Amino acid sequence: DAGVIQSPRHEVTEMGQEVTLRCKPISGHNSLFWYRQTMMRGLELLIYFNNNVPIDDSGMPEDRFSAKMPNASFSTLKIQPSEPRDSAVYFCASSRTQDLNTEAFFGQGTRLTVV
Amino acid sequence: AQSVTQPDIHITVSEGASLELRCNYSYGATPYLFWYVQSPGQGLQLLLKYFSGDTLVQGIKGFEAEFKRSQSSFNLRKPSVHWSDAAEYFCAVGPSNDYKLSFGAGTTVTVRA
Repeated sequence: DAGVIQSPRHEVTEMGQEVTLRCKPISGHNSLFWYRQTMMRGLELLIYFNNNVPIDDSGMPEDRFSAKMPNASFSTLKIQPSEPRDSAVYFCASSRTQDLNTEAFFGQGTRLTVV
Repeated sequence: AQSVTQPDIHITVSEGASLELRCNYSYGATPYLFWYVQSPGQGLQLLLKYFSGDTLVQGIKGFEAEFKRSQSSFNLRKPSVHWSDAAEYFCAVGPSNDYKLSFGAGTTVTVRA
């Protein structure tokens, strides 16, 4: 398996533009997580899906952020409109189940820069 | 609420020397504890985890960690570091019945020749 695949790896956009980050989880994994990593706040869980259904989006910072998982093999995280403070590395992770005793595998991340 | 503290932001160690990374957690019940490693430009990789049982846990790449409930600590160790161990290391804690992990701020390890 190729692991969790995220695209793009790097994204530079202007403030106010819409940004869409993409994630393909490992086949057979039922849980998908979106994390954000910044110097100031470290790693934060943004949203969690189980069987394509959003279970907990309490970590989503604002209404400008939205996430979807239309099927078991694809998820998107959208920011609209983007702001400079959204600059961060966004990680997607997947695991077989939602329980912490099953390992979560992380993608390589998308480094977002909003100028 | 759960939280994790990694007191050391940056550690420099010589190749072949031993390494110990500190992690202290705050959690009201029995925690699940994890150590992850992040190499530059990469995602996080699980090194080891503790759920219950033997308090000394063996992981990949020659790492081990010891859970000490009395000290609320879960320190990571490696007897002899290799240049490839240069990376950022994250300690994390989670509840046994949930999926939410709380990560520490991370410790960056530099290995000098």
